Amino acid sequence: DAGVTQSPTHLIKTRGQQVTLRCSPKSGHDTVSWYQQALGQGPQFIFQYYEEEERQRGNFPDRFSGHQFPNYSSELNVNALLLGDSALYLCASSSGTYFSTEAFFGQGTRLTVV
Amino acid sequence: AQKITQTQPGMFVQEKEAVTLDCTYDTSDPSYGLFWYKQPSSGEMIFLIYQGSYDQQNATEGRYSLNFQKARKSANLVISASQLGDSAMYFCAMSPGGSYIPTFGRGTSLIVHP
Repeated sequence: DAGVTQSPTHLIKTRGQQVTLRCSPKSGHDTVSWYQQALGQGPQFIFQYYEEEERQRGNFPDRFSGHQFPNYSSELNVNALLLGDSALYLCASSSGTYFSTEAFFGQGTRLTVV
Repeated sequence: AQKITQTQPGMFVQEKEAVTLDCTYDTSDPSYGLFWYKQPSSGEMIFLIYQGSYDQQNATEGRYSLNFQKARKSANLVISASQLGDSAMYFCAMSPGGSYIPTFGRGTSLIVHP
């Protein structure tokens, strides 16, 4: 049984560009949450998708947007990239519940903005 | 607002020894959950142990135990019989009951020496 998979694993982008990160949830999970983890910090909640809609959002600007597909996979889009967007982006999947021990994380996408 | 504090940026322990990683939290919610995660260099956040705010007994999971002192608002992780594979970043997190959004600490880097 595959766990949470994220692609790509690494990415280098230039300031001002746009990026799309992808996440496939663990089998049986219908909820996907995205986190940003800056160097030396803990993960920060960006938003959560359930039933193809954004259910909850953290304190991130509108440059950060997402989408969930009917197969529960999800994309994170970041527009007008800033140097400060360089971070590890983690995806976590769960079964439509509040944050709990059921959340499984992927290995992340490491984004570098130059 | 919730806050998690991990005051130890780095810890060193001899193989087979026990080690305690500190975590204090601040919340006004009467119901909350406390989580510990391990993050190896691969990036994936691996769930270790959970403690509910109303749980009377300290949680244990194999070599991991959580020293929960509610009045002091602390939730320290104890790893017994450390192994070389325990070398990683460790994050404490909290989520209020009924919340989708966890708050993570800044993490503690643990290095296990042979």
